[in-house]
Amino acid sequence: DGGITQSPKYLFRKEGQNVTLSCEQNLNHDAMYWYRQDPGQGLRLIYYSQIVNDFQKGDIAEGYSVSREKKESFPLTVTSAQKNPTAFYLCASLRDGGYTFGSGTRLTVV
Amino acid sequence: QQQVKQSPQSLIVQKGGISIINCAYENTAFDYFPWYQQFPGKGPALLIAIRPDVSEKKEGRFTISFNKSAKQFSLHIMDSQPGDSATYFCAPNWSHSSASKIIFGSGTRLSIRP
Repeated sequence: DGGITQSPKYLFRKEGQNVTLSCEQNLNHDAMYWYRQDPGQGLRLIYYSQIVNDFQKGDIAEGYSVSREKKESFPLTVTSAQKNPTAFYLCASLRDGGYTFGSGTRLTVV
Repeated sequence: QQQVKQSPQSLIVQKGGISIINCAYENTAFDYFPWYQQFPGKGPALLIAIRPDVSEKKEGRFTISFNKSAKQFSLHIMDSQPGDSATYFCAPNWSHSSASKIIFGSGTRLSIRP
C-alpha cells in the first residue's frame, strides 16, 4: 500500500543534541511537508519541498533543517538551536489539494 | 497570509445527534475544500472533500455543505457515534498547485457522549 512512513515513532533528545526524523513516501508525490503539533494545538508548518533539491521555510523554521536529495525522502533535523523541541512531528505529501500524512514522531527532550 | 477560521474550538454532542463544524476562508481562488480527522497520537487523515462546482457532498454519515458566496464550508456528522470523537481540521487550498503554504484551520475537538 502507498503511504508515508515516519520513523522512529518515539524519540528522546538530550539537551544540545541534534536528531533527525525520517520521512519516506512511495506515493510518487512531488510536494512534501513537515508540521509540528503541540498538545491540543493545530498544525504549524516547518518546511516544505516542491521538488528534489528545493525546499522552502515555513512559519516556524528556526532551529530546524531539511534536505530533499530524493523524491521519496524528506528528513527533518531538529538542531540544538531549537529551544523547545518537545512536540509531535508530522510529515505529509500533497497531490491535487489533498494531504497524505504519516503516523508521526513524538520527540521528547530529556 | 490567507486566513482560515474554524469554529467551534470544541464541541460536545450526544450519541445520535448531529455534529456541525464550520470553516471560513478568504481566498476566492481556492478550489478544494477538505476536512481531515485526527485521532490522538495519529496523523490526520482525509475524511471528505468538496470542489466548488457542487454545494453538497455526502459520504455515509458525513456531509460537506459549501457556500461559495459566503466563503464558508461545513462538516455535518449525522447520527454521531463515540468513534467519531476526534479532532477535525479544514484546509482549503488550490488543487492545481503542486506545493504551497496551505493553512489549516485551528481544529475542532469533537467529543461524542454515549
